[in-house]
Amino acid sequence: DAKTTQPPSMDCAEGRAANLPCNHSTISGNEYVYWYRQIHSQGPQYIIHGLKNNETNEMASLIITEDRKSSTLILPHATLRDTAVYYCIVRVGNFGNEKLTFGTGTRLTIIP
Amino acid sequence: SAVISQKPSRDICQRGTSLTIQCQVDSQVTMMFWYRQQPGQSLTLIATANQGSEATYESGFVIDKFPISRPNLTFSTLTVSNMSPEDSSIYLCSVLGQQNTEAFFGQGTRLTVV
Repeated sequence: DAKTTQPPSMDCAEGRAANLPCNHSTISGNEYVYWYRQIHSQGPQYIIHGLKNNETNEMASLIITEDRKSSTLILPHATLRDTAVYYCIVRVGNFGNEKLTFGTGTRLTIIP
Repeated sequence: SAVISQKPSRDICQRGTSLTIQCQVDSQVTMMFWYRQQPGQSLTLIATANQGSEATYESGFVIDKFPISRPNLTFSTLTVSNMSPEDSSIYLCSVLGQQNTEAFFGQGTRLTVV
């Protein structure tokens, strides 16, 4: 299983872009990179995922390097509600056996 | 998206007893999972709940301790058996969406064993 490495914590000023890095140097060619976040006392929330192209949705952007060994989640205009633990996950398995293996995540704190 | 309802949301239990946690989904889903999140820790996958067959357990988790039922495509239960204080955790149900892309999580069951 490909593992991910994330910084344990980060701070970001409110209104600024939050850039959360993730290393996944052992990722396989058909494995996707997923990002979830967990706000205190809630279940994890899906943010975005990608294979090799950059992706953007209403919540965030995902930038994956060309060699796919690392990625960055970008929250363009961070708000206090974005304070959470962010998990970068590589999805393992084939169709019918898709499970998510969570790492330790990055605790992002948005500073007023 | 899928809406997941977990019951109970929290409970305090005596050691040696068992607790069954229910997970109800508002639509039929193929894949359902159970996770444990110990205090201050990340999520650990307990097992995949398979409809019509025995659950698939991850290393370190066994059926006798965490029996799982999956009678249909919208419902599953996880039982925490013969509980000890070390079982105090948040237990989360998760499902894969219709297109097998994103996963959805319930709000979790916060279990305290005394």
